[in-house]
Amino acid sequence: AQSVTQLDSQVPVFEEAPVELRCNYSSSVSVYLFWYVQYPNQGLQLLLKYLSGSTLVKGINGFEAEFNKSQTSFHLRKPSVHISDTAEYFCAVSATNAGKSTFGDGTTLTVKP
Amino acid sequence: ETGVTQTPRHLVMGMTNKKSLKCEQHLGHNAMYWYKQSAKKPLELMFVYSLEERVENNSVPSRFSPECPNSSHLFLHLHTLQPEDSALYLCASSQGRGLGNGYTFGSGTRLTVV
Repeated sequence: AQSVTQLDSQVPVFEEAPVELRCNYSSSVSVYLFWYVQYPNQGLQLLLKYLSGSTLVKGINGFEAEFNKSQTSFHLRKPSVHISDTAEYFCAVSATNAGKSTFGDGTTLTVKP
Repeated sequence: ETGVTQTPRHLVMGMTNKKSLKCEQHLGHNAMYWYKQSAKKPLELMFVYSLEERVENNSVPSRFSPECPNSSHLFLHLHTLQPEDSALYLCASSQGRGLGNGYTFGSGTRLTVV
Protein backbone atom coordinates (compact mmCIF):
# COMPACT_ATOMS: atom_id res chain seq x y z
CA ALA A 1 0.00 0.00 0.00
CA GLN A 2 1.03 3.60 -0.53
CA SER A 3 0.59 6.70 1.59
CA VAL A 4 1.08 10.40 0.97
CA THR A 5 1.85 13.18 3.44
CA GLN A 6 1.53 16.80 2.47
CA LEU A 7 3.54 18.59 5.09
CA ASP A 8 1.75 21.94 5.02
CA SER A 9 -2.02 22.33 5.17
CA GLN A 10 -1.88 26.06 4.33
CA VAL A 11 0.78 28.12 2.55
CA PRO A 12 0.28 31.90 2.31
CA VAL A 13 2.63 33.80 0.00
CA PHE A 14 2.80 37.21 -1.64
CA GLU A 15 2.37 37.66 -5.35
CA GLU A 16 5.57 37.17 -7.40
CA ALA A 17 7.27 35.30 -4.55
CA PRO A 18 8.54 31.73 -5.02
CA VAL A 19 6.64 28.87 -3.44
CA GLU A 20 7.29 25.24 -2.54
CA LEU A 21 4.56 22.79 -1.57
CA ARG A 22 5.97 19.70 0.11
CA CYS A 23 4.94 16.11 -0.44
CA ASN A 24 6.42 12.91 1.00
CA TYR A 25 5.29 9.44 0.11
CA SER A 26 5.68 5.89 1.35
CA SER A 27 5.58 2.75 -0.76
CA SER A 28 7.14 -0.71 -0.87
CA VAL A 29 6.92 -0.81 -4.68
CA SER A 30 7.79 1.47 -7.58
CA VAL A 31 5.42 4.40 -7.95
CA TYR A 32 4.19 7.12 -10.21
CA LEU A 33 3.69 10.56 -8.64
CA PHE A 34 1.22 13.30 -9.46
CA TRP A 35 0.24 16.82 -8.49
CA TYR A 36 -3.30 18.07 -9.02
CA VAL A 37 -4.82 21.54 -8.60
CA GLN A 38 -8.39 22.29 -7.54
CA TYR A 39 -9.90 25.74 -7.99
CA PRO A 40 -13.00 26.64 -5.92
CA ASN A 41 -16.09 24.60 -6.82
CA GLN A 42 -14.21 22.66 -9.47
CA GLY A 43 -12.84 19.15 -9.83
CA LEU A 44 -9.14 18.32 -9.63
CA GLN A 45 -6.95 18.99 -12.66
CA LEU A 46 -3.66 17.24 -13.35
CA LEU A 47 -0.73 19.67 -13.03
CA LEU A 48 2.18 17.32 -13.69
CA LYS A 49 3.37 13.78 -13.18
CA TYR A 50 6.54 11.79 -12.70
CA LEU A 51 6.72 8.40 -14.39
CA SER A 52 10.43 7.76 -14.95
CA GLY A 53 13.56 9.38 -16.32
CA SER A 54 14.50 12.94 -15.45
CA THR A 55 13.69 13.71 -11.84
CA LEU A 56 12.65 17.28 -12.64
CA VAL A 57 9.27 17.44 -14.32
CA LYS A 58 7.53 20.50 -15.67
CA GLY A 59 3.80 21.00 -15.74
CA ILE A 60 1.19 23.54 -16.67
CA ASN A 61 1.02 27.11 -15.38
CA GLY A 62 4.79 27.31 -14.76
CA PHE A 63 4.88 24.68 -12.01
CA GLU A 64 7.59 22.07 -11.70
CA ALA A 65 8.33 19.24 -9.28
CA GLU A 66 11.39 17.24 -8.36
CA PHE A 67 11.34 13.55 -7.56
CA ASN A 68 13.81 12.57 -4.85
CA LYS A 69 13.88 8.82 -4.39
CA SER A 70 16.25 8.78 -1.42
CA GLN A 71 14.07 11.23 0.50
CA THR A 72 10.82 9.80 -0.92
CA SER A 73 9.68 13.31 -1.76
CA PHE A 74 8.00 15.04 -4.68
CA HIS A 75 7.89 18.76 -3.87
CA LEU A 76 6.06 21.22 -6.11
CA ARG A 77 7.64 24.57 -6.91
CA LYS A 78 6.95 27.76 -8.79
CA PRO A 79 9.49 30.59 -9.01
CA SER A 80 6.93 33.40 -9.10
CA VAL A 81 3.28 32.96 -8.17
CA HIS A 82 0.23 34.89 -9.34
CA ILE A 83 -3.04 35.67 -7.60
CA SER A 84 -4.66 33.16 -9.95
CA ASP A 85 -2.56 30.34 -8.43
CA THR A 86 -4.68 30.51 -5.29
CA ALA A 87 -6.16 27.00 -5.04
CA GLU A 88 -5.96 23.64 -3.30
CA TYR A 89 -3.09 21.40 -4.38
CA PHE A 90 -3.08 17.62 -4.00
CA CYS A 91 -0.17 15.22 -4.23
CA ALA A 92 -0.98 11.64 -5.27
CA VAL A 93 0.86 8.35 -5.72
CA SER A 94 0.03 5.13 -7.52
CA ALA A 95 1.88 1.85 -7.79
CA THR A 96 3.31 1.30 -11.27
CA ASN A 97 1.35 -1.95 -11.58
CA ALA A 98 -2.00 -0.50 -10.51
CA GLY A 99 -4.44 2.12 -11.68
CA LYS A 100 -5.71 3.48 -8.37
CA SER A 101 -4.13 6.56 -6.79
CA THR A 102 -3.78 7.55 -3.15
CA PHE A 103 -4.18 11.27 -2.44
CA GLY A 104 -2.69 13.49 0.21
CA ASP A 105 -4.86 15.74 2.37
CA GLY A 106 -4.19 18.80 0.24
CA THR A 107 -2.37 22.12 0.67
CA THR A 108 -4.23 25.40 0.38
CA LEU A 109 -2.08 27.96 -1.43
CA THR A 110 -3.20 31.54 -0.89
CA VAL A 111 -1.45 34.22 -2.94
CA LYS A 112 -1.80 37.71 -1.52
CA PRO A 113 -1.32 40.99 -3.41
CA GLU B 1 -18.09 15.99 -25.70
CA THR B 2 -14.80 15.09 -24.04
CA GLY B 3 -13.63 14.66 -20.46
CA VAL B 4 -15.73 13.70 -17.45
CA THR B 5 -19.15 15.29 -17.11
CA GLN B 6 -21.15 15.33 -13.88
CA THR B 7 -24.78 16.29 -13.53
CA PRO B 8 -26.34 18.07 -11.84
CA ARG B 9 -23.76 20.66 -10.74
CA HIS B 10 -25.84 21.59 -7.71
CA LEU B 11 -28.48 19.61 -5.82
CA VAL B 12 -30.55 20.46 -2.78
CA MET B 13 -32.56 17.62 -1.33
CA GLY B 14 -34.58 16.86 1.75
CA MET B 15 -33.73 13.96 4.02
CA THR B 16 -36.64 11.90 2.71
CA ASN B 17 -35.95 12.45 -0.99
CA LYS B 18 -34.42 10.07 -3.52
CA LYS B 19 -32.09 11.50 -6.13
CA SER B 20 -29.27 10.33 -8.38
CA LEU B 21 -25.94 11.81 -9.41
CA LYS B 22 -24.69 11.05 -12.89
CA CYS B 23 -21.16 10.81 -14.25
CA GLU B 24 -20.24 10.28 -17.87
CA GLN B 25 -16.83 9.89 -19.49
CA HIS B 26 -15.94 9.79 -23.17
CA LEU B 27 -12.25 9.05 -22.74
CA GLY B 28 -12.35 5.29 -23.19
CA HIS B 29 -11.25 4.77 -19.59
CA ASN B 30 -12.03 1.47 -17.90
CA ALA B 31 -12.08 2.52 -14.23
CA MET B 32 -14.37 5.02 -12.51
CA TYR B 33 -14.43 6.40 -8.98
CA TRP B 34 -16.70 8.31 -6.59
CA TYR B 35 -15.09 10.63 -4.06
CA LYS B 36 -16.67 12.72 -1.30
CA GLN B 37 -15.06 16.05 -0.47
CA SER B 38 -16.33 17.77 2.68
CA ALA B 39 -15.19 21.16 3.88
CA LYS B 40 -11.89 21.05 5.79
CA LYS B 41 -11.59 17.28 5.29
CA PRO B 42 -9.45 15.12 2.98
CA LEU B 43 -10.81 13.47 -0.14
CA GLU B 44 -12.72 10.33 0.80
CA LEU B 45 -12.74 7.48 -1.71
CA MET B 46 -16.23 5.95 -1.74
CA PHE B 47 -16.41 3.44 -4.57
CA VAL B 48 -14.18 2.06 -7.34
CA TYR B 49 -15.43 0.39 -10.48
CA SER B 50 -13.11 -1.44 -12.84
CA LEU B 51 -14.51 -2.82 -16.08
CA GLU B 52 -18.02 -2.17 -14.72
CA GLU B 53 -17.43 -4.31 -11.64
CA ARG B 54 -17.32 -2.77 -8.19
CA VAL B 55 -13.90 -3.55 -6.80
CA GLU B 56 -13.87 -1.33 -3.75
CA ASN B 57 -16.44 -0.06 -1.28
CA ASN B 58 -14.94 1.92 1.55
CA SER B 59 -17.47 1.36 4.32
CA VAL B 60 -19.94 3.73 2.77
CA PRO B 61 -23.43 3.83 4.37
CA SER B 62 -26.12 1.98 2.47
CA ARG B 63 -28.00 5.23 1.81
CA PHE B 64 -25.44 5.66 -1.00
CA SER B 65 -25.88 3.13 -3.80
CA PRO B 66 -23.59 3.15 -6.85
CA GLU B 67 -24.42 1.79 -10.27
CA CYS B 68 -22.17 1.31 -13.30
CA PRO B 69 -24.28 0.12 -16.27
CA ASN B 70 -21.40 0.41 -18.75
CA SER B 71 -17.83 1.67 -18.88
CA SER B 72 -18.91 5.22 -19.78
CA HIS B 73 -21.52 5.86 -17.09
CA LEU B 74 -21.52 5.88 -13.32
CA PHE B 75 -24.38 6.78 -11.03
CA LEU B 76 -24.69 7.44 -7.32
CA HIS B 77 -28.21 6.88 -6.03
CA LEU B 78 -29.08 8.75 -2.86
CA HIS B 79 -31.90 8.12 -0.39
CA THR B 80 -32.72 9.21 3.15
CA LEU B 81 -29.55 11.26 3.44
CA GLN B 82 -28.40 13.13 6.52
CA PRO B 83 -27.24 16.76 6.76
CA GLU B 84 -23.63 15.54 7.27
CA ASP B 85 -23.79 14.07 3.78
CA SER B 86 -23.68 17.59 2.36
CA ALA B 87 -20.46 17.81 0.35
CA LEU B 88 -18.92 18.03 -3.10
CA TYR B 89 -19.17 14.64 -4.82
CA LEU B 90 -16.48 14.08 -7.40
CA CYS B 91 -16.37 11.48 -10.13
CA ALA B 92 -13.08 10.46 -11.74
CA SER B 93 -11.91 8.01 -14.36
CA SER B 94 -8.62 6.41 -15.28
CA GLN B 95 -7.25 4.04 -17.86
CA GLY B 96 -5.65 0.77 -17.12
CA ARG B 97 -2.97 -0.38 -14.82
CA GLY B 98 0.56 0.82 -14.90
CA LEU B 99 0.05 3.48 -17.53
CA GLY B 100 0.65 6.44 -15.25
CA ASN B 101 -2.02 8.59 -16.85
CA GLY B 102 -3.52 9.69 -13.56
CA TYR B 103 -7.15 10.57 -13.07
CA THR B 104 -9.50 12.80 -15.00
CA PHE B 105 -12.03 14.43 -12.69
CA GLY B 106 -15.43 15.90 -13.31
CA SER B 107 -16.38 19.30 -11.92
CA GLY B 108 -18.40 17.69 -9.14
CA THR B 109 -21.93 17.89 -7.79
CA ARG B 110 -22.41 20.21 -4.82
CA LEU B 111 -24.97 18.42 -2.65
CA THR B 112 -26.85 20.12 0.16
CA VAL B 113 -29.11 18.03 2.40
CA VAL B 114 -31.72 20.03 4.27
